[in-house]
Order: sequence, then structure tokens, then C-alpha cells
Amino acid sequence: EDQVTQSPEALRLQEGESSSLNCSYTVSGLRGLFWYRQDPGKGPEFLFTLYSAGEEKEKERLKATLTKKESFLHITAPKPEDSATYLCAVQAPGAIGGYQKVTFGTGTKLQVIP
Amino acid sequence: DAGITQSPRHKVTETGTPVTLRCHQTENHRYMYWYRQDPGHGLRLIHYSYGVKDTDKGEVSDGYSVSRSKTEDFLLTLESATSSQTSVYFCAISEPGRGGNEQFFGPGTRLTVL
Repeated sequence: EDQVTQSPEALRLQEGESSSLNCSYTVSGLRGLFWYRQDPGKGPEFLFTLYSAGEEKEKERLKATLTKKESFLHITAPKPEDSATYLCAVQAPGAIGGYQKVTFGTGTKLQVIP
Repeated sequence: DAGITQSPRHKVTETGTPVTLRCHQTENHRYMYWYRQDPGHGLRLIHYSYGVKDTDKGEVSDGYSVSRSKTEDFLLTLESATSSQTSVYFCAISEPGRGGNEQFFGPGTRLTVL
């Protein structure tokens, strides 16, 4: 069974204090790993897709990295507006162009204090 | 923002009543999904659709049915609502290709069953 575990559950940072969020996963034949940001009362917002170990993607103060067993979301010099819950999800193999199961983690709630 | 709307955004109903939630997209994506999000469980797939009149069950489909008569609309029905179906419901869309199955989410519907 595919599993996604995110840690920590909650993280409180001072503005400018860099840190990393962890996503550990178990899936047979990873097809893709996704990061989403979710603000209170809103739907998840897509951030990144990573496909293979060693891949990195960046967007503003966020950088996502991938190994064979986990992914990290590095936040450099965070600002209060980065406060949100960050979700990780993994995609299992399936037919090309067809349904490919996606399993979500429970998220890390990040609070950045001015 | 992906062109996804959900209605209603909030609903309070009583146990035993039928409830229908609507998801509408303007992106012409083939796949549409219904998830529920509960504390400690992350996002769990209820049903998904891979085309007009083509639907399949997800991991928590008991007590729910869906219909898709047009590409742009995906309806979720609770035939007889129970308190355990109190949750936040999200619709998502995707267009799987040779890459990842990135899903894009609507704003959510908060359902309370008394």
C-alpha cells in the first residue's frame, strides 16, 4: 500500500529563519511526487512535480528536492505570507494517459512569525 | 487559478437527507475527482471520472454516488447523509499525459450533517 508521511506536523519559524519540510514515501514505482500549498479555507494549490531522484525545482523562496525515499521542501528566508499547510503527494504507476493513483500526506502546517 | 468552481460553498443539512454537490470546470480536462479532507486523514479519493458517463470508485466511496453528463460538470450525491460525512469536499481536475498527473483543486465545500 502506498504511504506518505510528512514531518513535522507543525513548524513555527521566525521570519528569515530557513528550514525544511520532509515527505517520506513508500510506493512501488514512483511516477511523480507533488507538492501543494493550502491556505485556510481554500483548496490545495499546485507547486511542483518531481519525477526522479536527484531532481530539484525552485519557486521564489521554495526549493523541492527528491531522493528515492523522501522529498524535502526547503524554505529559504521565509516571510509571513509563506504561512500555510504544505501537502505532499505521490503518484503510482498506471496506464499512460489513464488513471494513476495519487496518495496524499496529511501535511505540515507552517507558521512564519514576523 | 484553474477554472474550477464548486457549489454550494457551505451547506448544513440533517441526517437522512439527500445532498448534491456540484463541480464545474472550464478547462476541458478529461479527469475529474471528488475528495474529502478530514483532520488526520489528508485528502481521500471518493470517486473519479475519466470522461462523460465514465466514473469509478475511490478509496472511500461508500454512501456516495457521482454522475458526469457533461465534460464540465461532475456531481457528488450523498443519498442519505450521515454525521460521518461531515467534511470538507474538494473537486479536482487533471489531464494525465506522459508526465505527471498534476491535479488542480477547486475552493471546496464545507458540509455539516447534523
